[in-house]
Amino acid sequence: GQQVMQIPQYQHVQEGEDFTTYCNSSTTLSNIQWYKQRPGGHPVFLIQLVKSGEVKKQKRLTFQFGEAKKNSSLHITATQTTDVGTYFCAGPVRGSTLGRLYFGRGTQLTVWP
Amino acid sequence: DTGVSQDPRHKITKRGQNVTFRCDPISEHNRLYWYRQTLGQGPEFLTYFQNEAQLEKSRLLSDRFSAERPKGSFSTLEIQRTEQGDSAMYLCASSPRTSGSADTQYFGPGTRLTVL
Repeated sequence: GQQVMQIPQYQHVQEGEDFTTYCNSSTTLSNIQWYKQRPGGHPVFLIQLVKSGEVKKQKRLTFQFGEAKKNSSLHITATQTTDVGTYFCAGPVRGSTLGRLYFGRGTQLTVWP
Repeated sequence: DTGVSQDPRHKITKRGQNVTFRCDPISEHNRLYWYRQTLGQGPEFLTYFQNEAQLEKSRLLSDRFSAERPKGSFSTLEIQRTEQGDSAMYLCASSPRTSGSADTQYFGPGTRLTVL
């Protein structure tokens, strides 16, 4: 069955350090979406990547979608305490028209001041 | 507030009782999803509606679970004869697309269920 895996599960960084989380799917994805969930909160959409090899930036966040559309990464430059939370990747299986998302387990980021 | 809303936010119940949760999606969003999230895990898909039609159900959704979206607007998720393993956060999300691949899903604040 469809599996989306993320590593690492936990990451603790000092404020100002960089952070990267990696996402791998067992099957080809139509697109990859990234969500952030703050402690006690709900997932909030960050970005969607659709094209093979696509790279998008949002201020200090850089998102990449692999050439085979089976992997993705999120890189945060110079982390801040506001970056704390769990980052999830999610995607639908290619060819699916139903919109079901398969979520990774998430990477929980802790930033120490 | 025009976001996805869920009610109640918290529910504590005794094992064996029935519970019902409500989700109000963003207006005019055709697609509505239910997910379940346990501690340390990502959201797991439960079921999905396009308008009032329930198009997909996960194998996670046992016979004790039922979801409806009678008028294509709000949705309810009912769990009968609750078990301790049902304790989780139940998330609702909506999406504006009516066809094609998955679009951005907007999540509600969730209903946290605790079964004693």
